[in-house]
Amino acid sequence: DTAVSQTPKYLVTQMGNDKSIKCEQNLGHDTMYWYKQDSKKFLKIMFSYNNKELIINETVPNRFSPKSPDKAHLNLHINSLELGDSAVYFCASSLFRTSGGSTDTQYFGPGTRLTVL
Amino acid sequence: AQTVTQSQPEMSVQEAETVTLSCTYDTSESDYYLFWYKQPPSRQMILVIRQEAYKQQNATENRFSVNFQKAAKSFSLKISDSQLGDAAMYFCAYFSVQGAQKLVFGQGTRLTINP
Repeated sequence: DTAVSQTPKYLVTQMGNDKSIKCEQNLGHDTMYWYKQDSKKFLKIMFSYNNKELIINETVPNRFSPKSPDKAHLNLHINSLELGDSAVYFCASSLFRTSGGSTDTQYFGPGTRLTVL
Repeated sequence: AQTVTQSQPEMSVQEAETVTLSCTYDTSESDYYLFWYKQPPSRQMILVIRQEAYKQQNATENRFSVNFQKAAKSFSLKISDSQLGDAAMYFCAYFSVQGAQKLVFGQGTRLTINP
C-alpha cells in the first residue's frame, strides 16, 4: 500500500540529457512538493503545487519544470542536465487545511537518486 | 526567513540507553509546526513526531518525546531505550502555518547505536 511513490528510484544519465521523475500519491492529498537533498544531506524545497496550481517556486533554474496533471501526480522534468544536478530528489504530499489555511503533515516518497556523469 | 539549526552533526549512544538530539530555530512567527523526521540508510524520510507551537504539552510517540521550549526556540528529541533500528539521520524541520507552505530543515544529526 504505497502512499507516495516515485519512479525511477535511481537515474544515471549523461550531462546535457533531459530526464523526468514521476511522483504519485494515493493518500487523497491535494498538495504536493519536490525537495532536493544534496551530497551533504541538506534538504531544500524546490516546488509545491496545490490542486494542480503552483504555489511555491524557490530559486530553481529554469531547466527544472514541474508538471501536475492532476492532484495525485507531480512530475519533475529536468532539461540539459548538469553535474551539479546530481542529488536525491524527494516528492512529498500533504492535505491543505481549509480552516487556518495551512497544510498538514507532509509524507515523503522514497526518493530518486539522480547521478549526472 | 526561518532557519533551523542542528548543532550536533553526529551522536552515538549505547543500545537501550537514552539520547537527546538538539534543534534550535529562528522565527518571528507565533504559529507554526515543528517536526522530527528520520532518514535510515534506505533513504526514506519517516515522520517521527510533530509538535504544534500553540500546544504547551510536549508531544510523545512511544519511545520518542520532545522538549519544546517556545521562548527559547528549542525543540529537542529524546529517544528512550535506543534500539539498533533507530540508527539514522534525524532532521528537525519547521513549518510556517501562515507563511510559505514549505518545510525548512536543519542540517541533520547522524545517530549511531552501539550494540
